[in-house]
Amino acid sequence: AQTVTQSQPEMSVQEAETVTLSCTYDTSESDYYLFWYKQPPSRQMILVIRQEAYKQQNATENRFSVNFQKAAKSFSLKISDSQLGDAAMYFCAYKGMNYGGSQGNLIFGKGTKLSVKP
Amino acid sequence: DTGVSQDPRHKITKRGQNVTFRCDPISEHNRLYWYRQTLGQGPEFLTYFQNEAQLEKSRLLSDRFSAERPKGSFSTLEIQRTEQGDSAMYLCASSLPGQGSYTFGSGTRLTVV
Repeated sequence: AQTVTQSQPEMSVQEAETVTLSCTYDTSESDYYLFWYKQPPSRQMILVIRQEAYKQQNATENRFSVNFQKAAKSFSLKISDSQLGDAAMYFCAYKGMNYGGSQGNLIFGKGTKLSVKP
Repeated sequence: DTGVSQDPRHKITKRGQNVTFRCDPISEHNRLYWYRQTLGQGPEFLTYFQNEAQLEKSRLLSDRFSAERPKGSFSTLEIQRTEQGDSAMYLCASSLPGQGSYTFGSGTRLTVV
């Protein structure tokens, strides 16, 4: 069974600085998606960034970028120029392409609570 | 389109009562998912629909839980004979096939007293 592990329950960053959130996963599949979702106190889960496993190039969305290491099964999120609005729970998630098998199961880690200090 | 809508936002119920939640997905999304999130945890998959067909159910979905999507549009999640352990945030999400990423609603927070 696939698992997602976020080893940092809480992280803190100074405004305008850079922070990296860690995520590792375990799977026997070769094709899959990886995601970072943000859940602010208002609680709606918002997609931050996604990565297809077959793509070697790391995904980037404005201030957010990932370091995807497929062999190491590592998927970290880097937030540059941190802003107060970045404060939230961040969840790493995995979805296998599993053709013919599970199509609905987005597997989440336990999350990392990010605080941004002014 | 205003995204994925869930109703109610909060529900407090007494143990043993039945509750029903509603989810309205993004109109063109034919896939709809239910997740449960307890405090300090990531969301856990419960079930998903493609159009009106319920294609997958998690072991977490006990006999007291039932989900429907009668016309392939909105969905309801009913919990019968609620228990304190059912207290959680119930999240709904929708997507298009092959889209990979899901759009989530704001959730329904259930408190069983």
